Amino acid sequence: DAGVIQSPRHEVTEMGQEVTLRCKPISGHNSLFWYRQTMMRGLELLIYFNNNVPIDDSGMPEDRFSAKMPNASFSTLKIQPSEPRDSAVYFCASSLGYSVGSEQFFGPGTRLTVL
Amino acid sequence: DAKTTQPNSMESNEEEPVHLPCNHSTISGTDYIHWYRQLPSQGPEYVIHGLTSNVNNRMASLAIAEDRKSSTLILHRATLRDAAVYYCISNTNAGKSTFGDGTTLTVKP
Repeated sequence: DAGVIQSPRHEVTEMGQEVTLRCKPISGHNSLFWYRQTMMRGLELLIYFNNNVPIDDSGMPEDRFSAKMPNASFSTLKIQPSEPRDSAVYFCASSLGYSVGSEQFFGPGTRLTVL
Repeated sequence: DAKTTQPNSMESNEEEPVHLPCNHSTISGTDYIHWYRQLPSQGPEYVIHGLTSNVNNRMASLAIAEDRKSSTLILHRATLRDAAVYYCISNTNAGKSTFGDGTTLTVKP
């Protein structure tokens, strides 16, 4: 298995532009998570899905952020409009099952820089 | 989620065992204890998890105190590739893990 795939790996954009981050979870996994990591705030959970349905989006910072999971093999995290403070590494993770013992598998991350 | 407390940093010599402590004094009976680590410039990776009994896998061992208020991740022989940030997580929310600041492990040759 190729693991969790994220694209792009690096993104540089200007303030005000729309940014779309993509994630392909491990085949067969039914839970998907989006995280953001910065030096100041550490690793934060933004939103997670189970069976393509958003379960908890309380970590989404504001309305400029939105996430979708149209099918079991694809998810997007969109920022519109982007701001410099959105600069961070964004990780996608997937897990098999929804139980508290489920192991999460993380992708390599997308490093976003907003100028 | 139960709050966890870990030392900010630890050092170890290569080839020696490393014991990484974690306090989770507010843990409930159904909270699992998970450990993840994050190598430089990579996403976090799962290390081990447990509920009550000590656990072993190919990467590490997890020793859980009898009262479950603390646990210790044991790397039996540290290598330079084990240098990473180690996160201890205790969660009840299904599928949801809240990462704290973790312990930065430095391995000296």
